[in-house]
Amino acid sequence: AQSVTQPDIHITVSEGASLELRCNYSYGATPYLFWYVQSPGQGLQLLLKYFSGDTLVQGIKGFEAEFKRSQSSFNLRKPSVHWSDAAEYFCAVGAPNTGNQFYFGTGTSLTVIP
Amino acid sequence: KAGVTQTPRYLIKTRGQQVTLSCSPISGHRSVSWYQQTPGQGLQFLFEYFSETQRNKGNFPGRFSGRQFSNSRSEMNVSTLELGDSALYLCASSLQERNYGYTFGSGTRLTVV
Repeated sequence: AQSVTQPDIHITVSEGASLELRCNYSYGATPYLFWYVQSPGQGLQLLLKYFSGDTLVQGIKGFEAEFKRSQSSFNLRKPSVHWSDAAEYFCAVGAPNTGNQFYFGTGTSLTVIP
Repeated sequence: KAGVTQTPRYLIKTRGQQVTLSCSPISGHRSVSWYQQTPGQGLQFLFEYFSETQRNKGNFPGRFSGRQFSNSRSEMNVSTLELGDSALYLCASSLQERNYGYTFGSGTRLTVV
């Protein structure tokens, strides 16, 4: 069965600093991988997704993520964090042949210090 | 283009009652999925509908049910509410039937007292 681990429950960074949020997945083949962001009281917004091809994917709001098969990882990065990036970030995995059922990680809460 | 619309936004119910939540997907989207989000369990998959057919169901008791109408709008129903059903219920729609990424609604916050 698929599973997702986000090892960091909470991360604090200074505005302008770089950011990396970790995500490890468990799946027997190449999964579909996603990063979502959730602001308080809101639904989830898709930041980026990986299906195949180039392992470095670009998303919205200046985010990127790199798929590393050897490490079963799909870490999210941003070179310079803005105060508005403070939110909860979720990594998700989907299996290509199981419809639209996703497995989400437990999330990483990001605090940005001015 | 309108996003995924969930109604109501907030709901307070008493234990033992039942509740129906509604989700209107993005126009043209035929896949609708439901998730339950709680602080303790995180985001858990409830079920997925595509073209009025339930294609996947998560590990929830039979008190949780859903359906999808011909216009792709979906409803989920929870009967005999328990305190533990208090959660944010998120609906998501997708254009295709296979894992191309959801668009989520803002959710319905259900509180069971």
